[in-house]
Amino acid sequence: IQLTQSPSSLSASVGDRVSITCRASQGIGSYLAWYQQKPGKAPKLLIYTASTLESGVPSRFSGSGSGTDFTLTISSLQPEDFATYYCQQLYSYPLTFGQGTKLQIK
Amino acid sequence: EVQLVESGGGLVQPGGSLRLSCAASGFTFSDHYMDWVRQAPGKGLEWVGRIRNKANTYTTEYAASVKGRFTISRDDSKNLMYLQMNSLKIEDTAVYFCARVPGRGNDLDYWGQGTLVTVSS
Repeated sequence: IQLTQSPSSLSASVGDRVSITCRASQGIGSYLAWYQQKPGKAPKLLIYTASTLESGVPSRFSGSGSGTDFTLTISSLQPEDFATYYCQQLYSYPLTFGQGTKLQIK
Repeated sequence: EVQLVESGGGLVQPGGSLRLSCAASGFTFSDHYMDWVRQAPGKGLEWVGRIRNKANTYTTEYAASVKGRFTISRDDSKNLMYLQMNSLKIEDTAVYFCARVPGRGNDLDYWGQGTLVTVSS
């Protein structure tokens, strides 16, 4: 199953609302997770089963979607949110990641 | 506190072998499936494979790119997971992360900091 994220990169300002989309090549129900990765660090789980917020993750992050189209939304960007974001399908093996979306400061 | 620490990375020639280890602490290791994920320099994340727990007979899954060359195993008595990498190719150069699969699903809730494998002559 291929995952296509859009955009590949995004420039935004602190306080902006941003959305990143992830499209699957076939239906995956709600079997999708979102991760955040900062340079030189391990990925961090943000969202699982498409819309469930991982414990400790700020509520400005939210996920939605099912089937083939999914969205990660950050309601009000904070300085620490500038990072690369990846979606991952958890529906069938091999598990696959999207190519990533780099969120940069405008 | 859950901790995952990878080790064993380094420089290896094409065609060579290397074994990575992932040391787990802070949780009941034997209960959990565990994954390996890699990231080539400047590139995105690539899922490598998974090993299930004893209750699921330690079965494994692999990405097509490593199947037949890489083997995942575990030693629950030592809280260790391994990635045996044979017939290494230049394109296997990457940081290799181990990650824990929580009981609720297939997502990865804790990750190690990674170990760098460089395949070069």
